[in-house]
Amino acid sequence: DTEVTQTPKHLVMGMTNKKSLKCEQHMGHRAMYWYKQKAKKPPELMFVYSYEKLSINESVPSRFSPECPNSSLLNLHLHALQPEDSALYLCASSQRRGGETQYFGPGTRLLVL
Amino acid sequence: GENVEQHPSTLSVQEGDSAVIKCTYSDSASNYFPWYKQELGKRPQLIIDIRSNVGEKKDQRIAVTLNKTAKHFSLHITETQPEDSAVYFCAANQNNNNDMRFGAGTRLTVKP
Repeated sequence: DTEVTQTPKHLVMGMTNKKSLKCEQHMGHRAMYWYKQKAKKPPELMFVYSYEKLSINESVPSRFSPECPNSSLLNLHLHALQPEDSALYLCASSQRRGGETQYFGPGTRLLVL
Repeated sequence: GENVEQHPSTLSVQEGDSAVIKCTYSDSASNYFPWYKQELGKRPQLIIDIRSNVGEKKDQRIAVTLNKTAKHFSLHITETQPEDSAVYFCAANQNNNNDMRFGAGTRLTVKP
């Protein structure tokens, strides 16, 4: 299995809702990432997990909360989002953090109303 | 930290022509340089990568060249086809637990 999967594909939520994005990989990768991508921009790193430990949080607002339940799964919990948080949220994984190919999931397209 | 610049931001070529996209990086410790292709509404997909111990790598119609001294690397696509139309991102990364930095992207249009 050489694929990263993400659910849901699309999500519409209100500013008071709580929702979660899910990501899964079965490649034995030990680094997993959350990126945010706005239209016509490159992916912007949000969080990195290395060996199931949060390694980096690029000054992301606390309304985004990552979780890594095990080496194959990554969640992103969303609460009280703003309309400007509407974007494509991409999960990626790599063998290890640093100097390795990152494989991206198909993304979740999020719209915050 | 690493800073990656990518040019041009848009590129339009006629089918069959070649396309070249260039990137520069700032951190001399960077040693891994992937190129991703992202079609509209799809995920970024790795098309080719190069490590700092080689100067060039080729895969069919796609090649990447790296000049470590000048800190720049380029993507070359020959015999372009309409299905090559997409946004291309370069990136730079290091082994020592630093994270990948992307260029701003190049929108390539191949006209039939």
